[in-house]
Amino acid sequence: DQQVKQNSPSLSVQEGRISILNCDYTNSMFDYFLWYKKYPAEGPTFLISISSIKDKNEDGRFTVFLNKSAKHLSLHIVPSQPGDSAVYFCAASAEFPDRSSGGSNYKLTFGKGTLLTVNP
Amino acid sequence: DAGVTQSPTHLIKTRGQQVTLRCSPKSGHDTVSWYQQALGQGPQFIFQYYEEEERQRGNFPDRFSGHQFPNYSSELNVNALLLGDSALYLCASRPGLAGGPAKYFGPGTRLTVL
Repeated sequence: DQQVKQNSPSLSVQEGRISILNCDYTNSMFDYFLWYKKYPAEGPTFLISISSIKDKNEDGRFTVFLNKSAKHLSLHIVPSQPGDSAVYFCAASAEFPDRSSGGSNYKLTFGKGTLLTVNP
Repeated sequence: DAGVTQSPTHLIKTRGQQVTLRCSPKSGHDTVSWYQQALGQGPQFIFQYYEEEERQRGNFPDRFSGHQFPNYSSELNVNALLLGDSALYLCASRPGLAGGPAKYFGPGTRLTVL
């Protein structure tokens, strides 16, 4: 049972236009969402995150939107650049108390990724 | 400032063997998580270590075990390797048990089981 879904395996966009990557989730316990970018033979690189108490977070060309009622989030990249071409992963996290330390444990649940190609 | 580092980069093993992968967290980080990324899939959570103890575990069999050392570095051990264990193994780190999930990943170790 996939709790985080990225239904578009690939997306192709012209340079300078907007890229919109979508992600759906099913678990209501998720309260923190992240987007990662990944090149082949490298680990995921953190891009941007959003807490469930917000509906939008912006960082430069990247904006993440969260619609809690629809259990949907999206990543907007404006303007898209050829260097943005990579696999983008959506990830969701739930917080679990760590009884022995008083802190919190988190685990990330990832989607399968969307390959974004930005054409010059 | 060194980020998360992992070794080795690549590894080839045969079925039934055992393997140990290593991770050094980002400077100032003491919590380490391990993930498995099979081909065409997103990373899947294996387990998390803090203060040299396993704090949380994903749906992986006991063949997968780990260790964290006093310098916060960590090892992932996999026994009785299966073909299906072939994957990219990723390590992530964060400071303590506060401030949200681990955001910083290492480059991964590519394990091939023949």
